[in-house]
Amino acid sequence: KAGVTQTPRYLIKTRGQQVTLSCSPISGHRSVSWYQQTPGQGLQFLFEYFSETQRNKGNFPGRFSGRQFSNSRSEMNVSTLELGDSALYLCASSLELAPAGGYTFGSGTRLTVV
Amino acid sequence: GNSVTQMEGPVTLSEEAFLTINCTYTATGYPSLFWYVQYPGEGLQLLLKATKADDKGSNKGFEATYRKETTSFHLEKGSVQVSDSAVYFCALATNAGGTSYGKLTFGQGTILTVHP
Repeated sequence: KAGVTQTPRYLIKTRGQQVTLSCSPISGHRSVSWYQQTPGQGLQFLFEYFSETQRNKGNFPGRFSGRQFSNSRSEMNVSTLELGDSALYLCASSLELAPAGGYTFGSGTRLTVV
Repeated sequence: GNSVTQMEGPVTLSEEAFLTINCTYTATGYPSLFWYVQYPGEGLQLLLKATKADDKGSNKGFEATYRKETTSFHLEKGSVQVSDSAVYFCALATNAGGTSYGKLTFGQGTILTVHP
């Protein structure tokens, strides 16, 4: 079956712009979470959605937001981009909240802010 | 809060050498523990997992045992290959409530390079 699909794979934006990233989870998975990966900070949790509701949020400014649709697809938005937002953004999906079976990750979206 | 500490890297080994990457954790509740691997330019792949104390996760020759008494989940492989070169992340997830719920907490990652 298809894995977690993230689009686009690569993105270059200018400081001050906004960006929307998309994630399609594995079919049947209802939980989608987002992570930011940078060389300096490592992997940091952004937020997690389950059945269209945000269940948990990490320590990121309000410029970072997300949503989940009824088909479990999720988008995250970053407004007023800053140079420090350059990162690999990873989406992960699972059947349920806090699964013992682990999360399946997509290949990520590489965002570069110039 | 939850935290994961991995051994400092990078780790450089010759092919067929023994690998150990140390991982210790602090968690509320009863965590599930994971090792993820990331190859260059790719996302994270689940390598193995353990959901309760004394469980041993294994996959592709890699093993890790959930040690509650030492709060550890060290990754081992008896004979590494060049194709094992990647970044390895130890992680945990809990079903505790509050801010820990529904998320993975990762270690900082360990870069492994295997030479022929």
